Amino acid sequence: QKEVEQNSGPLSVPEGAIASLNCTYSDRGSQSFFWYRQYSGKSPELIMFIYSNGDKEDGRFTAQLNKASQYVSLLIRDSQPSDSATYLCAVNIQHTTDKLIFGTGTRLQVFP
Amino acid sequence: DGGITQSPKYLFRKEGQNVTLSCEQNLNHDAMYWYRQDPGQGLRLIYYSQIVNDFQKGDIAEGYSVSREKKESFPLTVTSAQKNPTAFYLCASSTRDMRDTEAFFGQGTRLTVV
Repeated sequence: QKEVEQNSGPLSVPEGAIASLNCTYSDRGSQSFFWYRQYSGKSPELIMFIYSNGDKEDGRFTAQLNKASQYVSLLIRDSQPSDSATYLCAVNIQHTTDKLIFGTGTRLQVFP
Repeated sequence: DGGITQSPKYLFRKEGQNVTLSCEQNLNHDAMYWYRQDPGQGLRLIYYSQIVNDFQKGDIAEGYSVSREKKESFPLTVTSAQKNPTAFYLCASSTRDMRDTEAFFGQGTRLTVV
């Protein structure tokens, strides 16, 4: 089982719709969770991080964390064509040292 | 301006050669990471370092080596033992308290074997 799993997509949504991106992780000791956006050929940029169960909202973005189910999601409201990118879920796995593990990413396409 | 700098942006390597990718940060971060990304794939961890003079292997360390002699620098050497080195390499850094902060990425180095 991979440590961090995402559906590779592509996920296609119409402009103005809600895009829902999902991520599961295997290590119950994971403490913090990150969503990054990556445009083609560019480096990832952070959208949100979350480390408490529940929802965290920032503008059009909402991160949701359920540690019991080992599940984290990202909702994008009022999706825009400029949101079209690959979204990477990252998990901070803590054992004797911290390491940040990424999922394979979900490609999102927002069409006009 | 604070940030993380990778160089070069593009690198071409002949088969059998070792090459070193540079990563420098002036953010005073303790932790630094090297990731590899193949087309259409996510980021796979090569090596990471939480403190000077210490580093750990990630998931795909074979054929790579690193050093961490200074807090600011974490160079990655791609050795001839790496059979398929063509990829996009990303360096990142963060504070050790990753609950409250992000990992900052450099702009990446695209390595091609010719």
